[in-house]
Amino acid sequence: GAGVSQTPSNKVTEKGKYVELRCDPISGHTALYWYRQSLGQGPEFLIYFQGTGAADDSGLPNDRFFAVRPEGSVSTLKIQRTERGDSAVYLCASSAIMSDTQYFGPGTRLTVL
Amino acid sequence: TQLLEQSPQFLSIQEGENLTVYCNSSSVFSSLQWYRQEPGEGPVLLVTVVTGGEVKKLKRLTFQFGDARKDSSLHITAAQPGDTGLYLCAGEGLTGGFKTIFGAGTRLFVKA
Repeated sequence: GAGVSQTPSNKVTEKGKYVELRCDPISGHTALYWYRQSLGQGPEFLIYFQGTGAADDSGLPNDRFFAVRPEGSVSTLKIQRTERGDSAVYLCASSAIMSDTQYFGPGTRLTVL
Repeated sequence: TQLLEQSPQFLSIQEGENLTVYCNSSSVFSSLQWYRQEPGEGPVLLVTVVTGGEVKKLKRLTFQFGDARKDSSLHITAAQPGDTGLYLCAGEGLTGGFKTIFGAGTRLFVKA
């Protein structure tokens, strides 16, 4: 497909476990963004990449959260020692260049029991 | 901290009615976007406004950016059930970065 894809679509895990969420951006898009959306809220910025480097990771809530984009395409958001408060929809978006239109994926719904 | 406040939080109207939703901030934004999000999907961009006082129209939707670039409104004429969804405003600040700040959204339900 031509859009942003995210896997898995749903992830249920237990408190304390490690999870990885994957984002496949639109081919050729250099900028990639991660957001977290809690119920009844708008998306909350977590981190964005320009190419392989994290240009701004100021939205990551703590050091349990980490994201990589080793080849400047696919990105993985990693959450260690998950907590119930991490439950949310994690959205990924990409844009052709920084500050250009962002195209969002459908999100991964993470539930921490 | 930049904060975008949207009002109302929830709006339920009959098909054919007009409505306006608002997005306000105490901070100045370099640009402001309006998105629409449906359940189980990511937000989809409707419009970007950049210039203070700018008005853009998209079919039955009219978007306005405040003169001071701190607020915006979205007006829908003759709403239809297909307009149902979550309307989000989002802004990029003047801090030199590209962080996008979203409001909490207005959830619109249009009854047939």
